[in-house]
Amino acid sequence: SQELEQSPQSLIVQEGKNLTINCTSSKTLYGLYWYKQKYGEGLIFLMMLQKGGEEKSHEKITAKLDEKKQQSSLHITASQPSHAGIYLCGANPGNTPLVFGKGTRLSVIA
Amino acid sequence: ETGVTQSPTHLIKTRGQQVTLRCSSQSGHNTVSWYQQALGQGPQFIFQYYREEENGRGNFPPRFSGLQFPNYSSELNVNALELDDSALYLCASSSRKRMETQYFGPGTRLLVL
Repeated sequence: SQELEQSPQSLIVQEGKNLTINCTSSKTLYGLYWYKQKYGEGLIFLMMLQKGGEEKSHEKITAKLDEKKQQSSLHITASQPSHAGIYLCGANPGNTPLVFGKGTRLSVIA
Repeated sequence: ETGVTQSPTHLIKTRGQQVTLRCSSQSGHNTVSWYQQALGQGPQFIFQYYREEENGRGNFPPRFSGLQFPNYSSELNVNALELDDSALYLCASSSRKRMETQYFGPGTRLLVL
């Protein structure tokens, strides 16, 4: 079965700094989803990547998919307190359901 | 367009009891998936319903069961609750297309004492 490993597990950055979160799959990635979750709440869809080399941006968040490395990265530019939360990557093995990583907990300090 | 809603938001039960959680899918979506998220973990797939029939199941025992109604809303039922069932239960709705995006509800937090 497909497994997703996220790194780092947690991250504390100063407001205004850039950061990167990685998601590595144990199998070929046919699609990769990024979600954000505030503690104890539902998942907010950020973006979906389908093709190798694809890059998408949503406000100050950019995600890329590297099919050869079976990896996706999420990059936040000039972090703000509103970026704090848990970032989860999810993969679609062939169709639903989604398989998720354990998440990366991001804290942004002033 | 309404989003995914879940009820109740919080619930406390004791071991051995039964619980029913509810989910209303986003307008235009006919597929509902349920996930269990333990503290510090990613969501784990429980099962999916499409047009009122179960359409895939994760590694959960039969005491986890569900229903989908003609309006595509859904219920998750858990019998004989165990302490390890304490978790955030999330439902997600989507349309029946390959690589469709799933939209999640706010979740129901269940505590089993």
